[in-house]
Amino acid sequence: DTGVSQNPRHKITKRGQNVTFRCDPISEHNRLYWYRQTLGQGPEFLTYFQNEAQLEKSRLLSDRFSAERPKGSFSTLEIQRTEQGDSAMYLCASSLLQVSTDTQYFGPGTRLTVL
Amino acid sequence: GENVEQHPSTLSVQEGDSAVIKCTYSDSASNYFPWYKQELGKRPQLIIDIRSNVGEKKDQRIAVTLNKTAKHFSLHITETQPEDSAVYFCAARDAGNMLTFGGGTRLMVKP
Repeated sequence: DTGVSQNPRHKITKRGQNVTFRCDPISEHNRLYWYRQTLGQGPEFLTYFQNEAQLEKSRLLSDRFSAERPKGSFSTLEIQRTEQGDSAMYLCASSLLQVSTDTQYFGPGTRLTVL
Repeated sequence: GENVEQHPSTLSVQEGDSAVIKCTYSDSASNYFPWYKQELGKRPQLIIDIRSNVGEKKDQRIAVTLNKTAKHFSLHITETQPEDSAVYFCAARDAGNMLTFGGGTRLMVKP
């Protein structure tokens, strides 16, 4: 499978615990995006990377959230001191920035449940 | 920032009929408008997109139109089939390369 992959697919945790998700983009895609999606809503932008540089962060991204893309390939999203309101699907997308196109392809998501 | 409104939130059609979903956006600098289809429990999948220098784009039974002056764009699906049933999201990309999604339209195609 050469598409975007995410691990784990499901995560159940207790309030206050830390969780980390991983995203592997399509090979050679230089941009990687994180979104959060709650039931019945569209994906909400969290942050994105171009290569290893984090270029934009949403106001939604509190200081409990941190994302990295250390070598410009895979990325991790960590949530510290989880809260019940963090329960959502966390989607990753990647794209190849070219002159006229920047289509984003989504991964299957990680569903987080905070008890 | 960008704000995208999508209507209707649910749409039920008979198989073979057409379906139209409409979106408006607020940021006149937005230049790229993709549409994604998301089936239950699956990832969003791009079905068609349009750039701000084009007014209309068609791909088999799917077409998208863009009115930059009015800041709205629409998805048209003709000859709907039961497998078209899903949630459809429009999105707008602003000058900062952020995609803002609409709230989604649940399309149900009745056989």
